[in-house]
Amino acid sequence: RKEVEQDPGPFNVPEGATVAFNCTYSNSASQSFFWYRQDCRKEPKLLMSVYSSGNEDGRFTAQLNRASQYISLLIRDSKLSDSATYLCVVNWPYGGSQGNLIFGKGTKLSVKP
Amino acid sequence: NAGVTQTPKFQVLKTGQSMTLQCAQDMNHNSMYWYRQDPGMGLRLIYYSASEGTTDKGEVPNGYNVSRLNKREFSLRLESAAPSQTSVYFCASSESGKATEAFFGQGTRLTVV
Repeated sequence: RKEVEQDPGPFNVPEGATVAFNCTYSNSASQSFFWYRQDCRKEPKLLMSVYSSGNEDGRFTAQLNRASQYISLLIRDSKLSDSATYLCVVNWPYGGSQGNLIFGKGTKLSVKP
Repeated sequence: NAGVTQTPKFQVLKTGQSMTLQCAQDMNHNSMYWYRQDPGMGLRLIYYSASEGTTDKGEVPNGYNVSRLNKREFSLRLESAAPSQTSVYFCASSESGKATEAFFGQGTRLTVV
């Protein structure tokens, strides 16, 4: 079974809060990691890729721990517009190729005024 | 800037009816995918096509068939719809041979009664 596990939430936080999402994956051969954002009744869209050294994009910081097979997303100074479901995504290699993208079930975030 | 276009956006079928979901992308991507998304289950891969002329089963292929008509188009067919196929279906595409960003269509909300 291909596994990408996330806490489903929901996370209910006030505006301005810092919130962290965690994700674990089961395939040690995975090489590509992403966070996607999905708004209600919309398609998923890439939020950011996750690099080995960790990376930051404005208020968003992604971290990767290969030894523990663990990915995180930190959102600082939460905005109302951050309310969405955040999907952890990992590639599942096979046959020497990069394989397909496997999606976690998502963590729902609700930012309140 | 069309990206990935899916049709129809909404569909209601009676049990046993057949239908084809259409998907087209204009980004010259080799890889295309069909996912279904159900509450509490996340996105699950139905079928994918790594390149024109090839298709492979994903995690939940039963009850579906696909056709990679050309590089742009990848269709999903339900030969005999069942209530268990009520779901939101997403088509996606990505660059070939890499687990890079996948771009999604807007989704098809299918109800089988």
